[in-house]
Amino acid sequence: KNEVEQSPQNLTAQEGEFITINCSYSVGISALHWLQQHPGGGIVSLFMLSSGKKKHGRLIATINIQEKHSSLHITASHPRDSAVYICAVKNQGAQKLVFGQGTRLTINP
Amino acid sequence: DAGVIQSPRHEVTEMGQEVTLRCKPISGHNSLFWYRQTMMRGLELLIYFNNNVPIDDSGMPEDRFSAKMPNASFSTLKIQPSEPRDSAVYFCASSHLRLSDTQYFGPGTRLTVL
Repeated sequence: KNEVEQSPQNLTAQEGEFITINCSYSVGISALHWLQQHPGGGIVSLFMLSSGKKKHGRLIATINIQEKHSSLHITASHPRDSAVYICAVKNQGAQKLVFGQGTRLTINP
Repeated sequence: DAGVIQSPRHEVTEMGQEVTLRCKPISGHNSLFWYRQTMMRGLELLIYFNNNVPIDDSGMPEDRFSAKMPNASFSTLKIQPSEPRDSAVYFCASSHLRLSDTQYFGPGTRLTVL
């Protein structure tokens, strides 16, 4: 069973700050997902990674397979980035996702 | 595309009643997932289907829970009888088994069992 740990659990920052959210997992995986859950409850898939780095706008996701670690970065953070960010992994040979507990991010103006 | 559609969006019921949650996946998607989200346990997979066939139901908490997918465009999650500890947000998600791992989530059903 894969254990997925996120840190920090809660993060409050000022608008414009550079944000980093971390995710570690215990067992080899085939893919890692970053999800965003808005205050209204909707869940959106941000990235799917199996290696390296992906960038979309102000969001950057990286993964180090050897270290079993991934980071989600937000540059020039904005209050609309306030949400819960969830890391999820797909074990090798499996289809279902195992989720971290999420990181609640609050960006103050 | 309308995205994944779930109904109802909110359900309040009394303990012991039967609850049925409904999901319509994105057209063309052939994998469907049911998740439950609570404050204590976060997001948990309950069951998923490929091509309408249940593949893994190991997350279904007990016999009170059942899920069906009679066709490619409809799935139900039933709780009978419901208990207060079933109160949670239930999400349905769909994906295309071969084209992409990306799962598209519905808006969720917030269930409250009194």
